[in-house]
Parts: sequence; structure tokens; C-alpha cells
Amino acid sequence: SQTIHQWPATLVQPVGSPLSLECTVEGTSNPNLYWYRQAAGRGLQLLFYSVGIGQISSEVPQNLSASRPQDRQFILSSKKLLLSDSGFYLCAWGVGGKDSPLHFGNGTRLTVT
Amino acid sequence: QKEVEQNSGPLSVPEGAIASLNCTYSDRGSQSFFWYRQYSGKSPELIMFIYSNGDKEDGRFTAQLNKASQYVSLLIRDSQPSDSATYLCAVTSNTGKLIFGQGTTLQVKP
Repeated sequence: SQTIHQWPATLVQPVGSPLSLECTVEGTSNPNLYWYRQAAGRGLQLLFYSVGIGQISSEVPQNLSASRPQDRQFILSSKKLLLSDSGFYLCAWGVGGKDSPLHFGNGTRLTVT
Repeated sequence: QKEVEQNSGPLSVPEGAIASLNCTYSDRGSQSFFWYRQYSGKSPELIMFIYSNGDKEDGRFTAQLNKASQYVSLLIRDSQPSDSATYLCAVTSNTGKLIFGQGTTLQVKP
């Protein structure tokens, strides 16, 4: 069966510090991978998605970036965090296609202080 | 107009009652519709999906889709306190991406 791992679970970082969140998927090949952010009391905002190694699409211009160095690894990064980057970051995978649901990791709660 | 709209709630129902959660969407070409449940502080988990007009039942859950009215709903029968959560409606856009509503918070009171 497929599983998705996301870490760390919680993170407290000062403004201006770098960020690296990692996500890996097991049990499937060539998944579509996604990074979402959920601000407190808000809906899910799609940040990046990837349909293959090295292929990244950005949905929202901001100081975040994403990379996919391996088929089942997806990384979210920032060189300098802003207060507004605080939120609940969720990695998700899907098999692609219009009928495909997404399956989420446990999320990372990021607080920028 | 938002692409996927839900009433944020909270929707409060007594234990054992039917909870009705509603969602409207703007893209008439949308083909796939999903309901996720999100407990406080946790990630969303898929509970139902529906592709065709009509009803789809899974245990205590029923998803209803009306494409003509661009409306999808989730009914929860015999609501339990453990059903208290935020329910997210998600719709596949014409670009294939999954667009989420803001979610409806459900409170089931014992």
C-alpha cells in the first residue's frame, strides 16, 4: 500500500531563516506530488505541484520554492522566511487524472517568529 | 465568485441526527468531486468521492451530486461526536487540479 511521509511535524523558525521541508512517498511510482499551505482557519492553498522529476509548477508567486530530486521525493524550501509563511504545510500525492483524489501526509506546522 | 464555496459554519447537530453539508462550484466542466474530513490539527483524509449525478452511499455517508445546479452535498446519518470535524469539499478543475473549498465545521453534540 502507498504511504506518504512528511517531516518535521512541527517547526519554529525565526524570520529570515531558511526552510526545508521534505516529503517522500512509498508504494507507488511516478506520482503527482503537491505542496499545500493552510493558514489558521483557512482553506487549502496549492503552492506547487510536480508531475515528474525536475518538473515543478508554481501556483502562487512568493519566497518559497520546490524541488523534486527523485521520483518520490518532494522538497519545499525558502531562503528567508517571512512571518506570513506561518501555517500548516501539507504534502500530497495522486496518481493523476481527473478522477484521482489526493492523499495527504501528516503535515508540518510552521511558526515563524 | 470563489471556485468552490462552502458555508464555514459551525453546523451544530445533536447526536443521532442527520448532518447535511453543502458545496457549490463554479466550473461547469468539473467532473470529479471529493469530500475530505479534517480533525483539528490533523491533515485531511478522503471520505467520499462521486463522479456521476445522483447519490452515492458508503456506510453512514451519502454524497449527492447535481451537475445542473453545480451542487454537491454530504449527508452524515446517525451523527456521532466523533464526526465533529471540518469537512472540505474538493472539485477537479478543468486543468485537472483539485480545488478545495474553505470547509464547513461540524459540531455533533452529545
